[in-house]
Parts: sequence; structure tokens; C-alpha cells
Amino acid sequence: RKEVEQDPGPFNVPEGATVAFNCTYSNSASQSFFWYRQDCRKEPKLLMSVYSSGNEDGRFTAQLNRASQYISLLIRDSKLSDSATYLCVVRDSNYQLIWGAGTKLIIKP
Amino acid sequence: NAGVTQTPKFQVLKTGQSMTLQCAQDMNHNSMYWYRQDPGMGLRLIYYSASEGTTDKGEVPNGYNVSRLNKREFSLRLESAAPSQTSVYFCASSDQTGPSYGYTFGSGTRLTVV
Repeated sequence: RKEVEQDPGPFNVPEGATVAFNCTYSNSASQSFFWYRQDCRKEPKLLMSVYSSGNEDGRFTAQLNRASQYISLLIRDSKLSDSATYLCVVRDSNYQLIWGAGTKLIIKP
Repeated sequence: NAGVTQTPKFQVLKTGQSMTLQCAQDMNHNSMYWYRQDPGMGLRLIYYSASEGTTDKGEVPNGYNVSRLNKREFSLRLESAAPSQTSVYFCASSDQTGPSYGYTFGSGTRLTVV
């Protein structure tokens, strides 16, 4: 079993729709959680950290469920520019980042 | 406002050749990392340097060596390239302050070993 698992997609979503991604992690001792965005043939960039109480940044909402060991990312009113691969990242107790393989999102006009 | 600079951006090597990937950051970060990214897999840590003067193995260190030349620079060396090392390589840095620090990545090196 992978330490961080994501549905690879692709998710094909019409512009303006709401889309949600889930990610599960295997290490219950994981300490911090992040979503990164990676555009095609580019480097990953931090989208947002995920806090225990959940957090929102504009159209993006991240949730953490420690009991079930999953993280979610919700994108509302999706834009064409949201097309990218979204990487779920978990920091373990050794302060190392464990990366999911990513979920590809395609927003269609 | 360069952030993390990696060179080269592209490289083709023959099996057995050696090369060094260069990485420099101008954010005064203590920690630097080398990752590889392969299709269908998450980024995998090759080596990291928590601070100037220290280096440690990551998940996939075999076939690689690193040098933390100073606080700014962290290089990755392939001594004898193999086709299995065909990948995209990313350098990253962080200051590891607070529980939610993020990593800043370079733009990557696309390496093909034939």
C-alpha cells in the first residue's frame, strides 16, 4: 500500500463546476498536510496547507479527517486556469514529506 | 527574485557517463532537497541537506551523490548513469520554520539516459 494515495484521474469537469479530490495516508503519526499544484512540465507549487479545523483560501477549501486518515480539496466555481495536477503531501514524524502521485484535473470550457 | 535555480534544464547522457546537476537558492533557506519524479509516482527524495555541512540519504539514494557546497548551493552527481535514472529531477529548499512550512522548487532537469 502506498503511503499517500490519490485517484490519478483525470477528472474532466466543466468550467464553473465544483470538484473535490480526496487523498488517504497510511501513517497515523503524520503531522502536517499540504496540497501542491503542478502544471504540465513545471515544478510543484504550494497551494495550501491543511489545518485540523479545515481552511479556506478563496475558491479552495481543504479538510483533514485524522480519524479516517484522509485529506480533501474542494474547488468551487472552477476556472480553466485550475487545470493542473494536484499533489497531496504529508509530513511524517521524521519531518520528511511524503508525496502522492497526484490527481489530474482538466477544466473544459 | 530567482528563488531556486537549477541547471541544466535538459540533458541526454549515454549509459556510464557522469554529470552533476546544480542547484542554488537565494532565500537563505537552511534545508535543501533533491527529488526525482517518474510517471505515475509521487516525488521521491534522493538526498537532502538539513543545514549547511550536513547531508542525508532519502528514499532512493543509490547511484547518486550530493555536495552541500555552501548554504546556497546543493549539487547532485550521477557517477555512472543508468537508463533507470531517466527522470525529471527537482531541487527544493525550505526554511523549516513552523509546522506548515512549504518547499520552493526549481524548474526541474529532464534527464534521459540512453
